This record gives sequence, structure tokens and C-alpha cells, in this order.
Amino acid sequence: AQSVTQLDSHVSVSEGTPVLLRCNYSSSYSPSLFWYVQHPNKGLQLLLKYTSAATLVKGINGFEAEFKKSETSFHLTKPSAHMSDAAEYFCVVKRAGGTSYGKLTFGQGTILTVHP
Amino acid sequence: DADVTQTPRNRITKTGKRIMLECSQTKGHDRMYWYRQDPGLGLRLIYYSFDVKDINKGEISDGYSVSRQAQAKFSLSLESAIPNQTALYFCATSDLRQGAYNEQFFGPGTRLTVL
Repeated sequence: AQSVTQLDSHVSVSEGTPVLLRCNYSSSYSPSLFWYVQHPNKGLQLLLKYTSAATLVKGINGFEAEFKKSETSFHLTKPSAHMSDAAEYFCVVKRAGGTSYGKLTFGQGTILTVHP
Repeated sequence: DADVTQTPRNRITKTGKRIMLECSQTKGHDRMYWYRQDPGLGLRLIYYSFDVKDINKGEISDGYSVSRQAQAKFSLSLESAIPNQTALYFCATSDLRQGAYNEQFFGPGTRLTVL
């Protein structure tokens, strides 16, 4: 079984300050991990993915995430928030390898608000 | 993503009506999925299909059915809509050739309201 917990349903930051969106996962097998972003009235866009090649993963728009196996975490960070980062963010886990059918398990989502 | 399209984008219907949501993709992917999104619950898988002859139930398939008319088309039907099926519905695709780390590509969503 696998599960994902996003520790904050809402995060509010000021423009230019760092962003931290927290995600913990549970998986019986080595997982693939993803962060998706959903802007208002838009579909989901992939920000970045962890595929076991490197624990620090860089994504689009200046975001990055670090896979920490000992802490079962995959937190998303950005050094300096921009107004256009305001959106809902989803942490997603997928079992890697074996006969996985590609099932994704989504976290509950974190809404990021960026203040001027 | 313009490569995955969903129609309609918005639909309001009444309890008991039959509704079909359509998804088309030009990515050439073999795998297609239907999800629903509810506030605070993330996305939950309704059905998925690995190819035209392969259809599988997801976590919450009750009250829904699907049809894979072609590799590029995957439709979701609500046989008799009920108010708790009011949600945002997403279609997604993925490429088997990407292996275990394949990501999914999402359509823009269909907002369905059942009165």
C-alpha cells in the first residue's frame, strides 16, 4: 500500500520569500515521487519527478525537491516566491518497478497564496 | 496541455440523467485514465485503460462506466447522475515506453454539476 500526506492544506508567503511545501509518503516499495501544480481553472502540470537518479531534483520555474528516505519526505522548495506561483500543489507517489500499472496516489493538495 | 482535450469543459445536469464526458489525446500514448477531484481529497482514480481491449476499475468506479473507442479516445459515462458526483473530472495519459517512472499528462478538466 502507498499513501501521501501533505502536511499543510494552505501556505501563505510574501513575494520574494522562500516557499516550503511539505510532503510525507508511505510506500512498501521504492517509490517514484512527483509534484504537480494546478493553477486556477487549469489542468495539472508536472513540476518535477524523483526517479532515484539523484535525491535533489530540480524542476521547472525554480522549484526543487529533496528525497529523504530516512524521513520518508519529499518537500518542495523555491528560494523566492513569485506572484505567478499562487496555485494548488499536489505531491504524488507511484510504486516503481514490478507490475505496477501506473497508479498514482495523490496527496490532498496544498494551496499556495503569494502576497505582494 | 493541448495534447489532451476534454469535452465538455463545463456541464450542469439533473439527477437521473445520463452523462458522457469525452477525452481525446494526440500524444500517441497507450495508457489513459479518468480521475475525479474533490476539494481536500486530491485526485482519485475512477477507471484506467492500458489499451483498447484493457479496461480496469480504479478506487471509485461505482456509478461510472467507460469506453475506449480507439487508442486516442476514452469516454467516461455516468449512467444515472447523482448530486455527489458533482466534481472536477480529469483525463490523463501516460506512455508505457517510459517505464516505471512515467509521468501522467492531464487534460484541462471537466467541471460537472449535478442538481
